[in-house]
Amino acid sequence: ETGVTQTPRHLVMGMTNKKSLKCEQHLGHNAMYWYKQSAKKPLELMFVYNFKEQTENNSVPSRFSPECPNSSHLFLHLHTLQPEDSALYLCASSRDPTSGSYEQYFGPGTRLTVT
Amino acid sequence: QQPVQSPQAVILREGEDAVINCSSSKALYSVHWYRQKHGEAPVFLMILLKGGEQKGHDKISASFNEKKQQSSLYLTASQLSYSGTYFCGTTSRYGKLTFGQGTILTVHP
Repeated sequence: ETGVTQTPRHLVMGMTNKKSLKCEQHLGHNAMYWYKQSAKKPLELMFVYNFKEQTENNSVPSRFSPECPNSSHLFLHLHTLQPEDSALYLCASSRDPTSGSYEQYFGPGTRLTVT
Repeated sequence: QQPVQSPQAVILREGEDAVINCSSSKALYSVHWYRQKHGEAPVFLMILLKGGEQKGHDKISASFNEKKQQSSLYLTASQLSYSGTYFCGTTSRYGKLTFGQGTILTVHP
């Protein structure tokens, strides 16, 4: 499989549930990202990982917990979410997060609904 | 601070041209352009780096004016496949990519 893949594609969870989103990139990149995309809002950067180390946490609530076991895999663990957390969660990867010269490649996203 | 895109929405007929603008209040190193179709991932179109360059492929091109801190995306002789939401993203030299709010482009037959 090529590019950036995300599972599941759709997720419905209650506010007391715990679930995880998974992202995998097959591009040999060293940087991975989580974005949140809500209706009528710009893409919001949540976390950045470079060579498995977290380099950016954009003031994300602790109910979102990222994990990056290696440069190819990225997880977003979810617990006690709120209805306003319903959104499309996009994963992306790139060669170097510290340079503006490199494009990011996005996965198809996970459509999350919190009930 | 996120860049500002204009217009917010454009409606075209096939064959017409469109321009989407992206402006920033901060000094820019690069501008990225992406297109996202409904229900799909954003797809990279092009990057323009500091130096006032212009790029293009097929009938989609872009310019970057670093003095004005703005970029424009030009779509000529639009096709139905051009429909989608176009995002610009901007960076400083070592900064993170910050996206604009998006411009919805609709091309009708």
